[in-house]
Amino acid sequence: TQLLEQSPQFLSIQEGENLTVYCNSSSVFSSLQWYRQEPGEGPVLLVTVVTGGEVKKLKRLTFQFGDARKDSSLHITAAQPGDTGLYLCAGEPYGNTPLVFGKGTRLSVIA
Amino acid sequence: DTAVSQTPKYLVTQMGNDKSIKCEQNLGHDTMYWYKQDSKKFLKIMFSYNNKELIINETVPNRFSPKSPDKAHLNLHINSLELGDSAVYFCASSPSGAYNSPLHFGNGTRLTVT
Repeated sequence: TQLLEQSPQFLSIQEGENLTVYCNSSSVFSSLQWYRQEPGEGPVLLVTVVTGGEVKKLKRLTFQFGDARKDSSLHITAAQPGDTGLYLCAGEPYGNTPLVFGKGTRLSVIA
Repeated sequence: DTAVSQTPKYLVTQMGNDKSIKCEQNLGHDTMYWYKQDSKKFLKIMFSYNNKELIINETVPNRFSPKSPDKAHLNLHINSLELGDSAVYFCASSPSGAYNSPLHFGNGTRLTVT
């Protein structure tokens, strides 16, 4: 079974700070997705990274897929209270099998 | 609004009862899913349907039976509910069955079995 480990599990920071959350595996994935989930709602897709070494930017969020396609990171610059939520990574294994989700990083940005 | 909508939002019931959760998507997607999110926020796929046909059935007890009357609907019926079934159940859809196809989730049904 392929696993995705996310770290840290919890992160509480002040508004304006920068942060990085990680998604790691010993397995290789053909693509990786990042979602944000707010309380009482379903996860919402932020980005999909497909190519090893790929970097994608979404405003203040920067996503990177590791060269070996085993890991990914999400960096947030100048965090805002609206960034608060549960960040989930999900990897697509090779071989047409379902997405594997990590357990998430719960981010709290305090004004 | 284009969305994945599921009902009810909350469901509280006793052990041994049978209950159903309904899901509808108006996004025109071919593939629909049921996911279970436990108390530690771990999301695990239960079922996937493509154009009304079952394509994934993970190791889910037989007490759980999905039904897809058409490609816009995927309902979940649960028989003989157990305490361990308490979780948030999410319906999702995607444009195709390819796994890098982005998932659109509903807002979840919080099931509490007492």
